[in-house]
Amino acid sequence: AQSVSQHNHHVILSEAASLELGCNYSYGGTVNLFWYVQYPGQHLQLLLKYFSGDPLVKGIKGFEAEFIKSKFSFNLRKPSVQWSDTAEYFCAVRVGQAGTALIFGKGTTLSVSS
Amino acid sequence: DGGITQSPKYLFRKEGQNVTLSCEQNLNHDAMYWYRQDPGQGLRLIYYSQIVNDFQKGDIAEGYSVSREKKESFPLTVTSAQKNPTAFYLCASSAPTSVGYNEQFFGPGTRLTVL
Repeated sequence: AQSVSQHNHHVILSEAASLELGCNYSYGGTVNLFWYVQYPGQHLQLLLKYFSGDPLVKGIKGFEAEFIKSKFSFNLRKPSVQWSDTAEYFCAVRVGQAGTALIFGKGTTLSVSS
Repeated sequence: DGGITQSPKYLFRKEGQNVTLSCEQNLNHDAMYWYRQDPGQGLRLIYYSQIVNDFQKGDIAEGYSVSREKKESFPLTVTSAQKNPTAFYLCASSAPTSVGYNEQFFGPGTRLTVL
């Protein structure tokens, strides 16, 4: 069965530190990739997505992610985090072009101290 | 405002009772989904529907049922057969595009507690 792995369960950073959250998936075919964020008390919202083309995608709030097909990875990065980035982050994969359901990782909680 | 509404926000039920969670969208999306979120477990798919009057089981459908009689509505019933129903339930929708369904939009969720 397809799966998504997020390597870090809880990450703690100081403001201005750089962030990289790992995401790996297990499927050899065509995939669409997503990062979602859930701020405390708010809806789950899309940070960025990859469908095709440039493997380096930019999202909202200064986040970016790089799709490396050979490593089955889609890591999320931000050069300098802010206290307001404190949230839970989910990597998700949609398998194939015809399928519609997303497979989510277990999430990474990011805590940023000011 | 376009979006997804879920009601109620908090729901309490006694063991052995069925309960129905509401999900409505005015985004004109074809596909709708129900996920369950538990701490440290991420989101797990319960059911999804790509079109009215049709739906498919997800990974954890046992103890749940759904209906899709209208495009904008996708209610989820948590039955007494669900062994551990206390969780946060999220509804989502997405619209088809030429390369498949686009990203999913999520509602605010319903937190169900079984007493």
